[in-house]
Amino acid sequence: DAGITQSPRHKVTETGTPVTLRCHQTENHRYMYWYRQDPGHGLRLIHYSYGVKDTDKGEVSDGYSVSRSKTEDFLLTLESATSSQTSVYFCASVDYYTQYFGPGTRLTVL
Amino acid sequence: GENVEQHPSTLSVQEGDSAVIKCTYSDSASNYFPWYKQELGKRPQLIIDIRSNVGEKKDQRIAVTLNKTAKHFSLHITETQPEDSAVYFCAASRGVTGGGNKLTFGTGTQLKVEL
Repeated sequence: DAGITQSPRHKVTETGTPVTLRCHQTENHRYMYWYRQDPGHGLRLIHYSYGVKDTDKGEVSDGYSVSRSKTEDFLLTLESATSSQTSVYFCASVDYYTQYFGPGTRLTVL
Repeated sequence: GENVEQHPSTLSVQEGDSAVIKCTYSDSASNYFPWYKQELGKRPQLIIDIRSNVGEKKDQRIAVTLNKTAKHFSLHITETQPEDSAVYFCAASRGVTGGGNKLTFGTGTQLKVEL
């Protein structure tokens, strides 16, 4: 599983609160990604990073921000959580072509 | 941007039968097509991939075919077993030169292998 971990694994929060999810990889991969997975939608890209401090938006980036201050860590922040952001969040990193996924974070926004 | 459509959304087969899942893509510049398997509550895991310079790739009971002209690719699983039951996702990308291999996923196929 390419040494990718996510924390927390489960979180319940309330509408309007900020939430930060962490992705940590030990493979020194340059590219990292954040996806959300919802029934009927597959995996959709939120943001990605192509190096330290280098990030860009994916197809569903509204309401999310990211930061990457170290190669091994990629943080996803929900600035003010909404119920529509209830989802399972996966991060991934790339070894040449292959994307390796973390175990996922199940986020519930009440 | 890229759009990937996947069919069927659910597929039920008898153990030992073959299963075929089909995907179409829209971006003619896409050149990398992986397939992921996701068991319930687990992370997606790569099972096979193909690049646009080949038309078919096999790995034991699974194979992927690619038709670049028609912009579609398919996953074939032969001699299905109960442990093949999972959700399968296809994806497409422009490869690492297109921004670090950003993948666009299909919406998934729930495969159920019945005894």
